[in-house]
Amino acid sequence: NAGVIQTPRHKVTGKGQEATLWCEPISGHSAVFWYRQTIVQGLEFLTYFRNQAPIDDSGMPKERFSAQMPNQSHSTLKIQSTQPQDSAVYLCASSSSGNTEVFFGKGTRLTVV
Amino acid sequence: QQQVRQSSQSLTVWEGETAILNCSYENSAFDYFPWYQQFPGEGPALLIAIRSVSDKKEDGRFTIFFNKREKNLSLHIKDSQPGDSATYFCAASGASSGQKLVFGQGTILKVYL
Repeated sequence: NAGVIQTPRHKVTGKGQEATLWCEPISGHSAVFWYRQTIVQGLEFLTYFRNQAPIDDSGMPKERFSAQMPNQSHSTLKIQSTQPQDSAVYLCASSSSGNTEVFFGKGTRLTVV
Repeated sequence: QQQVRQSSQSLTVWEGETAILNCSYENSAFDYFPWYQQFPGEGPALLIAIRSVSDKKEDGRFTIFFNKREKNLSLHIKDSQPGDSATYFCAASGASSGQKLVFGQGTILKVYL
């Protein structure tokens, strides 16, 4: 079990460019979560999917951020027109159906310059 | 508003002492409370968790004490080791929010020799 896999581990984008972050959940897990971590705001929920369907995106900034889960083995978080304030560690997590244990990946550190 | 609050931003103990990390919450609907341990450059790792029907959960050197009436809980780390030095996050979730976790701001624990 390789755990939740996130790629890339580090990404640097110029202001205004697009960034796509990838997540491979643990095999067999039906729920996938995205969180953002910064020193100031801590760990913030962004969105989550269950069985590939979007369930709750209440934490997603309404503009520029979108998440997809085209199949059960991967999810993407896309940020359009990145801004310096988007710089953070983006964490993906997964859990199995009916199980409240949530397992996190190592994160993608996004730096917008 | 801060739904989950950790009372200390940082805590320092000597090797062999018991470290006590405190957490409180506001939402009475929360019924699942995990603690996560995070090392620099890594994602949060599930350490131990408790459900609101219990008042104590023990796993090796780690114990959660839970007080539903007071809406608070604490993580006790017995016989602290330098390798326990990390950031500890208290989190909470409830049936109404699915498996979405709300995190406290974290407590940085340092264990000195």
